Amino acid sequence: DIVMTQSPNSLAVSLGERATINCKSSQSVFYSSNNKNFLAWYQQKPGQPPKLIVYWATTRESGVPDRFSGSGSGTDFTLTISSLQAEDVAMYYCQQYYSSPQTFGLGTKLEI
Amino acid sequence: QVQLQQWGAGLLKPSETLSLTCTVYGGPFSGYSWKLIRQPPGKALEWIGEINHRGNTNYNPSLKSRVTISIDTSKNQFSLKLTSVTAADTAVYYCTGGSSGWWSEHWGQGSLVTVSS
Repeated sequence: DIVMTQSPNSLAVSLGERATINCKSSQSVFYSSNNKNFLAWYQQKPGQPPKLIVYWATTRESGVPDRFSGSGSGTDFTLTISSLQAEDVAMYYCQQYYSSPQTFGLGTKLEI
Repeated sequence: QVQLQQWGAGLLKPSETLSLTCTVYGGPFSGYSWKLIRQPPGKALEWIGEINHRGNTNYNPSLKSRVTISIDTSKNQFSLKLTSVTAADTAVYYCTGGSSGWWSEHWGQGSLVTVSS
C-alpha cells in the first residue's frame, strides 16, 4: 500500500495569514501516460463528512474558494490556503488514488 | 445535485454482520463509481472498497475476506456487508461516490457503527 504522510499534525494560523499543509507519498503517484498526479485533498469539519476540495493534485473542485490551491508532483504535495478564514478551521486529508487500495494521510488539524 | 442517504444498524455485537445501504438521489447512478469509506473515532479515513454500475468490485485487501459490496441499479442503491465484526470495526461508515471513479465528490452523512458486547 502507498503510505501517505502529512505534516504538520496540527497547525495554528492567524486569520488572513497563509496556511500550508504538506503530504508525502511513499511512492510516486504521477502517471506519465496522462501526465497527472493521482492525489486529492479533503476538508472535514467536526460532525460532517469530508468535502473534496482538490483533485489531480492541483484542480480545485467546483465551488471551492480560490484561496485554496494544491501543488506538487511525484511524491511531494502541498495544500495552501492563501488567506485563512474562520470557516477554514477543519481537518485536512490527502488521498492517493494511483493504486489500490486508495489510502489517506492521517490528517492535519488547522486552527486559528 | 447528487445526495446519498445511508442507513444501517448502529450497535452490533462481536461476530455479527454489519449491513449498510446507501441510496443515491438527484443524479446519475449508472456510470458512477460508488465507494465505502470508514473512519474510526479520532482516526484517519480508510477505504473499504468500491463498485461500479456493472457490479464490478474492488476491495481493500485488509478487509477483503469479510467484505461484500453489492448494487441494485433498479433502486439506485449500493450496499455493504462486513462479516465477523470486532471492536476494531467501530467507526463512522460513509457512502461516497462520483463520476470520476477516482476521488469521492459526493458523501453520505455517515453512520456510526459501534461493536460492543
